[in-house]
Amino acid sequence: DAKTTQPTSMDCAEGRAANLPCNHSTISGNEYVYWYRQIHSQGPQYIIHGLKNNETNEMASLIITEDRKSSTLILPHATLRDTAVYYCIVRVSFGNEKLTFGTGTRLTIIP
Amino acid sequence: NAGVTQTPKFQVLKTGQSMTLQCAQDMNHEYMSWYRQDPGMGLRLIHYSVGAGITDQGEVPNGYNVSRSTTEDFPLRLLSAAPSQTSVYFCASKRSMNTEAFFGQGTRLTVV
Repeated sequence: DAKTTQPTSMDCAEGRAANLPCNHSTISGNEYVYWYRQIHSQGPQYIIHGLKNNETNEMASLIITEDRKSSTLILPHATLRDTAVYYCIVRVSFGNEKLTFGTGTRLTIIP
Repeated sequence: NAGVTQTPKFQVLKTGQSMTLQCAQDMNHEYMSWYRQDPGMGLRLIHYSVGAGITDQGEVPNGYNVSRSTTEDFPLRLLSAAPSQTSVYFCASKRSMNTEAFFGQGTRLTVV
């Protein structure tokens, strides 16, 4: 699985959009980009994933650059409950069970 | 719908003791896995299963055994606990290869 690079921490004002970047310059053509988050002391929670097209669901939007070397997770209207560690993971869609969690980005929503 | 249930939530063991961490899911998922998370680190895969009767090793399997006799249950056994196994353990399940994983709430294990 490709290695990812994320900022260690970020702050965002409540009600504003939180934009979390992720670099994955060595991503290969069959690797998906997944985002999970982990709220303190809880199990990780799936947010969204994509291959090359931008994706949106009820939680977030995922913007993947055309060259697929980086992506941005967007939480459109951040709330205090969005304070968590956010993990960007790239993995193949088959043949490999492992989700390689790095150290992620600690996002703090400021009231 | 309970999702993924882990028991116990907390456990303290003495070095050399054995125990089983339980994981059950009620979503009829084929894939189940165990991860450990140490302070300041991401999750690391211990063992996983792609269906009943099938298990395989992950990144850090030493000191742990698993079995998958039913679709619902995937217990993790510590054969002889060591202080290095002090960690938070998460069980996860997913419907198939290319779907999202659902995680349990974790078991916080301390080995003294």
